[in-house]
Amino acid sequence: GAVVSQHPSWVICKSGTSVKIECRSLDFQATTMFWYRQFPKQSLMLMATSNEGSKATYEQGVEKDKFLINHASLTLSTLTVTSAHPEDSSFYICSLIGTGGRNEQFFGPGTRLTVL
Amino acid sequence: QQQVKQSPQSLIVQKGGISIINCAYENTAFDYFPWYQQFPGKGPALLIAIRPDVSEKKEGRFTISFNKSAKQFSLHIMDSQPGDSATYFCAAQAGDKIIFGKGTRLHILP
Repeated sequence: GAVVSQHPSWVICKSGTSVKIECRSLDFQATTMFWYRQFPKQSLMLMATSNEGSKATYEQGVEKDKFLINHASLTLSTLTVTSAHPEDSSFYICSLIGTGGRNEQFFGPGTRLTVL
Repeated sequence: QQQVKQSPQSLIVQKGGISIINCAYENTAFDYFPWYQQFPGKGPALLIAIRPDVSEKKEGRFTISFNKSAKQFSLHIMDSQPGDSATYFCAAQAGDKIIFGKGTRLHILP
């Protein structure tokens, strides 16, 4: 398996400010992490794939200049929501593929972002 | 185009009953089919998963039935308990890309 943590668990910010969310792999080194967004009562939508040491791969329709992803180490990926607006309010969840060769994805506990 | 269709959207079951959630997929490249359980305000947690070379997998009260020819799979929760009340997502995965169904909100009546 894998243990994934996120920080903060929730954040409230004013419109126009930037917010950084951290995703950490606690028990093994992850070369790839994923960032999802989930609106209330909806499914998870993949935003981007974060690759250690290289640029993230963004899904169609996700603004790479707005959602900055940095995967500087094998245990940490960060998502920065720049110039946040109320429509960015959502539940942001990271995940990584665990060990065992079965491609199981393990998810973090999520970060609730509220933009006022 | 929705690649994984999940039904029902919501489900109410009496305690002790059987909860059944169905999913269908389109892309035959998918080779791993996990089910996730999500409680409010929490990230999804892997519940049970199956590969297409197996028609059924059982873990405790949870069973996946898989029909490769019909491209359908389902989750059965036996002896459903109030603690099972959550949102359940089926998913289909090829490599490290995973596509989720829209989710089923399950409520178990005490």
